[in-house]
Amino acid sequence: EVQLVESGGGSVKPGGSLRLSCVASGFSFNDAWMSWVRQAPGKGLEWVGRVKSKTDAGTTDYAAPVQGRFTISRDDRKKTLSLQMNSLVTEDTAIYYCVTEQHWLAWGQGTLVTVSS
Amino acid sequence: QAVVTQEPSLTVSPGGTVTLTCGSSIGAVTSGHYPYWFQQKPGQAPRTLIYDTDNTHSWTPARFSGSLLGGKAALTLWGAQPEDEANYYCMLSYSGARRVFGGGTKLTVL
Repeated sequence: EVQLVESGGGSVKPGGSLRLSCVASGFSFNDAWMSWVRQAPGKGLEWVGRVKSKTDAGTTDYAAPVQGRFTISRDDRKKTLSLQMNSLVTEDTAIYYCVTEQHWLAWGQGTLVTVSS
Repeated sequence: QAVVTQEPSLTVSPGGTVTLTCGSSIGAVTSGHYPYWFQQKPGQAPRTLIYDTDNTHSWTPARFSGSLLGGKAALTLWGAQPEDEANYYCMLSYSGARRVFGGGTKLTVL
């Protein structure tokens, strides 16, 4: 069974940092492109960014609102996707989901990040 | 940055048919945008119904289908069921890199 489990969410003050993790199982993680998607309370889905597989150079792309503040990385040995979030602002408050881009067949359950003073 | 547009809300009668659409602010939607459709019910993570315009996953009910219609991506629901009441989001890919979600359509089955 394909499974994605996020962790690392919590409360942080504006300007702070947080690191999210997503552990994958049930599929070939090292071949998968992986994305992060977020959803602010009561709002729609917003694509955050993506990391390609190492065989596709492992490059990353980010949405404009997070470019330069967020960094996506992967550890294929641990089957783990990470999202390092720096210089957080209140607008970053959201549930963060990791998703495998292989036909977007699996989503994690999400982890809540709250940015508030 | 492109804006992806969806109807904010739609209502369908039980057993009825409804089409949700997904447009792009910078031109017609084509198969090259690899349209996706997601369903999200309250308190749940989204799940993917349609990928690459018209492909379904094993869990996608047969009453859902995807297509291109009049320069937009479309999700058609045939024979709506009460359990289909949910928010539906489309997503388009631009230049093979960035993904952009639509604002979502709240579908009511009433």
